[in-house]
Amino acid sequence: AQSVTQPDIHITVSEGASLELRCNYSYGATPYLFWYVQSPGQGLQLLLKYFSGDTLVQGIKGFEAEFKRSQSSFNLRKPSVHWSDAAEYFCAVNYGGSQGNLIFGKGTKLSVKP
Amino acid sequence: NAGVTQTPKFQVLKTGQSMTLQCAQDMNHNSMYWYRQDPGMGLRLIYYSASEGTTDKGEVPNGYNVSRLNKREFSLRLESAAPSQTSVYFCASSESRRPSGANVLTFGAGSRLTVL
Repeated sequence: AQSVTQPDIHITVSEGASLELRCNYSYGATPYLFWYVQSPGQGLQLLLKYFSGDTLVQGIKGFEAEFKRSQSSFNLRKPSVHWSDAAEYFCAVNYGGSQGNLIFGKGTKLSVKP
Repeated sequence: NAGVTQTPKFQVLKTGQSMTLQCAQDMNHNSMYWYRQDPGMGLRLIYYSASEGTTDKGEVPNGYNVSRLNKREFSLRLESAAPSQTSVYFCASSESRRPSGANVLTFGAGSRLTVL
C-alpha cells in the first residue's frame, strides 16, 4: 500500500538553530507532495507543495523543501527556527489516479527551546 | 472570508448516542472531505465528496454517514457513537471537481469529539 513515513515523532531544537524534518514516500509515479503545519488546537495549514519542475520549493514562514526522486524523499528545512514554529508538521502525498486522495504521514512534533 | 467552518468545536457523547458534525465552506470549492486525527496516526480519510450529490468512502468509513447537502455544506453523522470514535475530526475542501493529485486542501479548525 502507498504510504508516507515521517521517521521522527518528536524533535526539539534551539531557537535560531536549523531544522530538517524528514519525509519518505512509497514509490509511485508522479507524486504530488505537500507539507502541512498544525499549531496547537488549530487546523492544518499548507506550508508548501511540489507538483513538478524545480525540486527545491519555497513555502510560507521561511520553510523550504527538496524533492529527491532517487531517495523518495521530500524533506522540510528551515535555516533558523523561531519559537512560533513549535507545532506538528505533516508530510502528505497524492498519487492522483482514480481516487487522488491525500495520504498523510503520522506527523512530527517540533518543540523549540529558548 | 471564513474558509471552512466546522461546528461544534467540542462535543461529549455517551455510547450509542447520535450526532452530526456540520461543515460549510465559502470558497466555492467543489470537493469536500472528512478526516479523523488520532494520536500517532496522522489524518485518515473517512469520506469525501467530489461534487454536489456524490459521496465516496475513504480509508475508515465504518460507523459514519455523510451528506453533501449542497455545494457549501458537507455533514458527518455518527448514528450510534462508540468510544473508538473519540477523535478530532477535520473537514476540508478543494477546488477540483474530480480526484486529482494537484488538489490543495483547505482545512477547518477541527471538532473534538469524546465518546464515553
